[in-house]
Amino acid sequence: EDQVTQSPEALRLQEGESSSLNCSYTVSGLRGLFWYRQDPGKGPEFLFTLYSAGEEKEKERLKATLTKKESFLHITAPKPEDSATYLCAVQAKGETSGSRLTFGEGTQLTVNP
Amino acid sequence: GAGVSQSPRYKVAKRGQDVALRCDPISGHVSLFWYQQALGQGPEFLTYFQNEAQLDKSGLPSDRFFAERPEGSVSTLKIQRTQQEDSAVYLCASSLGRPTDTQYFGPGTRLTVL
Repeated sequence: EDQVTQSPEALRLQEGESSSLNCSYTVSGLRGLFWYRQDPGKGPEFLFTLYSAGEEKEKERLKATLTKKESFLHITAPKPEDSATYLCAVQAKGETSGSRLTFGEGTQLTVNP
Repeated sequence: GAGVSQSPRYKVAKRGQDVALRCDPISGHVSLFWYQQALGQGPEFLTYFQNEAQLDKSGLPSDRFFAERPEGSVSTLKIQRTQQEDSAVYLCASSLGRPTDTQYFGPGTRLTVL
């Protein structure tokens, strides 16, 4: 069974204080690992897809990396508008898994001014 | 362009009532997904359509849950005889159709069962 564990559950940072969020996963065969951002009362908003170990992707203050067991979302010099819940999800290979995403419980990030 | 839309945004039902939740995917998107998100949790997969074919319904929690997409566009998730444990946000997502294509989510429908 595919599993995704995110840590920490909650993280409070000062504006400009860089940090990283962790996503550990177990999956029979990884097709893709996805990062989403979710604001209160809204649906998840896509950030990145990573496909293989060693891959990195960047967008503004965010950088996502992938190993064979985990992914990190690095936040450099965060701003208050980066406050949100960050969700990690995996998609497994194979006919039985189809295209479904298996999500972690998310990390709730608060950036104080 | 227009994103995924869902209606209603909020639904309050009395225990035992039937409800129907609607999803309008992004135009041209072949794949459509339903997820359930409990408070403070990540979304959990319910079911998946490719055009009008329901290819995976393994995540539906009971036979009270039923989904359809008769013309390969709009989808409806129906919950019969609602129970309090059905209270959650129901999210719809759509994608172009290949497995790793990005799934774009709608705003969700918050269902509260009293």
